[in-house]
Amino acid sequence: AQSVTQPDIHITVSEGASLELRCNYSYGATPYLFWYVQSPGQGLQLLLKYFSGDTLVQGIKGFEAEFKRSQSSFNLRKPSVHWSDAAEYFCAVGSGAGSYQLTFGKGTKLSVIP
Amino acid sequence: GAVVSQHPSRVICKSGTSVKIECRSLDFQATTMFWYRQFPKQSLMLMATSNEGSKATYEQGVEKDKFLINHASLTLSTLTVTSAHPEDSSFYICSANGNEKLFFGSGTQLSVL
Repeated sequence: AQSVTQPDIHITVSEGASLELRCNYSYGATPYLFWYVQSPGQGLQLLLKYFSGDTLVQGIKGFEAEFKRSQSSFNLRKPSVHWSDAAEYFCAVGSGAGSYQLTFGKGTKLSVIP
Repeated sequence: GAVVSQHPSRVICKSGTSVKIECRSLDFQATTMFWYRQFPKQSLMLMATSNEGSKATYEQGVEKDKFLINHASLTLSTLTVTSAHPEDSSFYICSANGNEKLFFGSGTQLSVL
């Protein structure tokens, strides 16, 4: 069965600083990987996804993520964080057969210091 | 862009009553819809997968008689929480798959008194 680990429960960064949120996955085949952002009491917004091809994926709001098969990782990065980026971030993996049946990590809460 | 509409956004009900949550794909046909449950400060847990016109597939540990899912059309799936109890209080989110894309609803906060 697939699984996702987000090691950091809560991260605090200063506005303008760089950000990296970690995600490790476990899946037997080539994974379909996603990063979502959730504001309190809201649904999910897709930041980016990886299905195949270039392992460095560009997403919305200046986010990017790099798929590293050797490390089973799909870390999310942003060079300069804005206060509006404060939210909960979820990494997810989809199975190949039903790629949109997602298994989510437990999430990382991002706080931004002005 | 494609949008998934989920209603209601918030519902409060008495213990023992049933609550229906709707998930609609507004401008695309959703061949598959997914229902997730999220407890406070927790991740999303898949409850069931529903394909239009067929019975939903429930994840282990999810009571199918408790959480009734209907996917009667390509644009609508409903989740009915039957005989709700306080432990059913949670945030429920649907997602819809269509045109090789996946979109999430905005979620429903269910509070059972």
